[in-house]
Amino acid sequence: QKEVEQDPGPLSVPEGAIVSLNCTYSNSAFQYFMWYRQYSRKGPELLMYTYSSGNKEDGRFTAQVDKSSKYISLFIRDSQPSDSATYLCAMKETSYDKVIFGPGTSLSVIP
Amino acid sequence: DTGVSQDPRHKITKRGQNVTFRCDPISEHNRLYWYRQTLGQGPEFLTYFQNEAQLEKSRLLSDRFSAERPKGSFSTLEIQRTEQGDSAMYLCASSKATRDYRSYNEQFFGPGTRLTVL
Repeated sequence: QKEVEQDPGPLSVPEGAIVSLNCTYSNSAFQYFMWYRQYSRKGPELLMYTYSSGNKEDGRFTAQVDKSSKYISLFIRDSQPSDSATYLCAMKETSYDKVIFGPGTSLSVIP
Repeated sequence: DTGVSQDPRHKITKRGQNVTFRCDPISEHNRLYWYRQTLGQGPEFLTYFQNEAQLEKSRLLSDRFSAERPKGSFSTLEIQRTEQGDSAMYLCASSKATRDYRSYNEQFFGPGTRLTVL
C-alpha cells in the first residue's frame, strides 16, 4: 500500500460545478497536509495547507482534514476552466522535511 | 524572475551517457530539494540540502545519482550511466526554514528538466 492514495481521474465537470478531490493516507505521523496544483509542463504550485486537523478556506477553495479517518479533501466552488490542472495532495511529518505526494487527480472544467 | 530556475529544460541522451542538471533556488532560501516525477505520478522525493549539507537521501537515489550544493546556493544533480528507466521529469524546489513548527515551509518548485533516455 502506498503512503498516500488519490483517485487519478480524469475528472471532467461543467463550469460552475463544485469539485471534490480526496486523498487517503496511512502514516498517522503526518501533520502537514498540502494541496498543490500542477499545470501541464509546469512545476507544482502550492494552493493551501493545513496543520493538523480541521478546515481551511481560501476564496473558492476549502481544504478539510480528518485525521481520525486519515482522509483529506479539497473542494473547489464555482469551478472555472482555468482550474483545469492536476491536483496533488501532499503530506509531511513535523520532524522530517520530506514531503510525500499523492499521484494526482487530473481535472478538466468544461466551459 | 526571482523563482526557482532549472537548466536545461529538456535533455535527450543515449543510454549509458552521463547527464547533469542544474537548479538555482530562490536566493534567500536555505533548503533545496530534488524530486523525480514520472507520467501520471506525483513527485517522488530524491534528496534535500540545508545550505551545503545533504541531509537526507531517498533509497530511490541509487549510486548512479549524485547531488551537490557546494556553496549553499545552486545545486547539481548528476546521473551516471543513464538507463531508460531514468526517463522522467526532474524537479527542484526550494524553501526557507522557519522556527514556527505550525508553519509549512512552502516548497517553491522550478519548471523541471525533462530527461529522455533513448
